Amino acid sequence: DVKVTQSSRYLVKRTGEKVFLECVQDMDHENMFWYRQDPGLGLRLIYFSYDVKMKEKGDIPEGYSVSREKKERFSLILESASTNQTSMYLCASSPLGEAALNEQFFGPGTRLTVL
Amino acid sequence: SQKIEQNSEALNIQEGKTATLTCNYTNYSPAYLQWYRQDPGRGPVFLLLIRENEKEKRKERLKVTFDTTLKQSLFHITASQPADSATYLCAPAGGDSNYQLIWGAGTKLIIKP
Repeated sequence: DVKVTQSSRYLVKRTGEKVFLECVQDMDHENMFWYRQDPGLGLRLIYFSYDVKMKEKGDIPEGYSVSREKKERFSLILESASTNQTSMYLCASSPLGEAALNEQFFGPGTRLTVL
Repeated sequence: SQKIEQNSEALNIQEGKTATLTCNYTNYSPAYLQWYRQDPGRGPVFLLLIRENEKEKRKERLKVTFDTTLKQSLFHITASQPADSATYLCAPAGGDSNYQLIWGAGTKLIIKP
């Protein structure tokens, strides 16, 4: 059974802390994505990666960075957490090729609260 | 800017009836459109992809249409069941040199027994 796992389901951090969200997929997918999901808004793309050590900014990269040192792992980093980064964070992966044409497989999400 | 609109009000349907959800888009000409299902506390799960030249696509009790003139996709669930209750997300993509998905906020569907 294919799987995308995220390191935490719930996380509470303080303003100014550095936060690491980890995502691992076991499908040997080239593409990996980080989204955030807020009530009343569609998923918004933060960063994506189409290969190891490659990354591209999405629509809302400010305040975030990413790391992809291994194919199966894609990390999202909040350099200095702020309250407006309180959100549900979703990781996804898809096979090689255009995102538009491929099914994305999602993890269960990490609900991050920044106090 | 590109805008994707799904009905923000929950849709209540009696079990056994057909549920129809709407996805409208503006300032955009996508070449593809994906539909996902999301249950509370879980990530979205892919359901269907339709291409702009397909007009209609079916999978079991699901049917999706894609009208590029109206800039609209309709998602139908026939013979609906309480287990179909979830939030359904549409995500157009492609066209306009943008091959990432652009996501609607979703419509919550409630199927009453």
